[in-house]
Amino acid sequence: AQSVTQLGSHVSVSEGALVLLRCNYSSSVPPYLFWYVQYPNQGLQLLLKYTTGATLVKGINGFEAEFKKSETSFHLTKPSAHMSDAAEYFCAVSDMEYGNKLVFGAGTILRVKS
Amino acid sequence: KAGVTQTPRYLIKTRGQQVTLSCSPISGHRSVSWYQQTPGQGLQFLFEYFSETQRNKGNFPGRFSGRQFSNSRSEMNVSTLELGDSALYLCASSLAGTGANTIYFGEGSWLTVV
Repeated sequence: AQSVTQLGSHVSVSEGALVLLRCNYSSSVPPYLFWYVQYPNQGLQLLLKYTTGATLVKGINGFEAEFKKSETSFHLTKPSAHMSDAAEYFCAVSDMEYGNKLVFGAGTILRVKS
Repeated sequence: KAGVTQTPRYLIKTRGQQVTLSCSPISGHRSVSWYQQTPGQGLQFLFEYFSETQRNKGNFPGRFSGRQFSNSRSEMNVSTLELGDSALYLCASSLAGTGANTIYFGEGSWLTVV
C-alpha cells in the first residue's frame, strides 16, 4: 500500500529564507510523486511532479523537489520565501497500478514572517 | 482553456437528506476523480471514473456514489447525510491512463451538514 508522510504540520520561515518541506513516501512500485499547494478556500494547484527521468524537478513559483529513491524522499524547496508562499502544501503519490488515485500526506502549513 | 468546474460551491443540508455535486472536467479529459477533505482526515480519495466506468474506489461507505456521463461530466451523490460528511469535496480531472498524468483540481464544493 502507498503512503505519504509529511514531517512537520507547520513550518515557519522568514521572508527571503530557504523553504524546506519534507515528504517521505512508501510505494511497492516505482512511484509518481506530486506537490500541490492550497490557498485558503481554494482547490489544489499543482506545483510540480516527478514521473520518470531527471530526479530534480522544477515547478512553478520557484519551487523544486528532488526524488531520492534510496531515501524514499521527495522534499520541496525554494531558495527564498515570499509572503505569497504562505499556504498549505500537500505531497502525494500514485503509481501505475492505481492509475489516477492520489494518496496525500497530511499537509504542511507554511507561514512566512516579514 | 477552462479549468475543472464544480457546482455548487457552497451548500447546507440537514442530516438524513441527500446531496448531489456536479463536476465538469477540463475539455478533453476523460478521467474524473473525487476527494473528500476534512480537518481530521485530510484528503481522501473517494472514487475515479474513466469513460463512464468506475476504475478505482476508496474506503467510503455505500452512501457515497458517483457516475460519469458520456461527455465526461461527473456527479457524486451522498445519501442519508451525517454530520461527519461535512467537508470540502474536490473533483479532479486528467487526460486518461496512468498516474503519470497531471491531475487538475477544481475549487471544490463546501458541504455543511446540520
